[in-house]
Amino acid sequence: DAKTTQPTSMDCAEGRAANLPCNHSTISGNEYVYWYRQIHSQGPQYIIHGLKNNETNEMASLIITEDRKSSTLILPHATLRDTAVYYCIVRPRSGSARQLTFGSGTQLTVLP
Amino acid sequence: NAGVTQTPKFQVLKTGQSMTLQCAQDMNHEYMSWYRQDPGMGLRLIHYSVGAGITDQGEVPNGYNVSRSTTEDFPLRLLSAAPSQTSVYFCASSYSTSGRTSTDTQYFGPGTRLTVL
Repeated sequence: DAKTTQPTSMDCAEGRAANLPCNHSTISGNEYVYWYRQIHSQGPQYIIHGLKNNETNEMASLIITEDRKSSTLILPHATLRDTAVYYCIVRPRSGSARQLTFGSGTQLTVLP
Repeated sequence: NAGVTQTPKFQVLKTGQSMTLQCAQDMNHEYMSWYRQDPGMGLRLIHYSVGAGITDQGEVPNGYNVSRSTTEDFPLRLLSAAPSQTSVYFCASSYSTSGRTSTDTQYFGPGTRLTVL
C-alpha cells in the first residue's frame, strides 16, 4: 500500500468546516483513498472513499487532486462529536492485499 | 443486525496464560480480520480470513492463532500471553473479497482491552 502523510493534530471551531489533508504521492492507479475515523476508545468507523473523482456522502466530502497525489477530507459543519483521530488510507481495490494499513492519523479536536 | 460483536470487553491475564478473544458478525461477510492497537498508535493487522476455512497472517502474527470454521465467527487465540500483548484488539469484517465491488467498507467491533501482567 502507498504511504500516506497526515498532520498529527488539528483544531476546528464548532460549526465551521474541518479540512483534513493527506499526502499520498506514491499512490498507484488501482489504489483507492479511504478515510476512517476513530472516536476515543471505539472501533474505527468508515467515512468515505474515492478513486479519482470527488465524492460526497452524508458524513463528508472527499476532494482528490487531479494528479491523485493528495486529498482532503471535508466535514462541512463540524460538531463536538466529530472529535476523533482521522485516518487516511490508500489500498488496492481487489486482490489479497486488501487489508487496511493504518498510520498514526490526524487528531481532530472540535472546539466549542 | 448486531454488526460485529466482540467478547470480552476487558480481560486481565497473567504471563503464560492462554485465552481466546471472540469475534462474531451477522452480516454474512466473507472477510474478517483482527487488529491490535497500542497506546498512541494506529492499528496493526494480526491475522485475516477471506472465507471459512481460509486464514492468513498479517503484519504482527507472532503469538496469535486464528481459525475460521464458520462465516460468522473468527476467534483469536493467545497461546501464551506476554506483557507485550497488552493492547486493545479490534475485529473487523467486510462484504467482498473478490473485488466485485469497490465499496468494500470494513465494519469494526467495539474492541477488547487486554492487560497481561
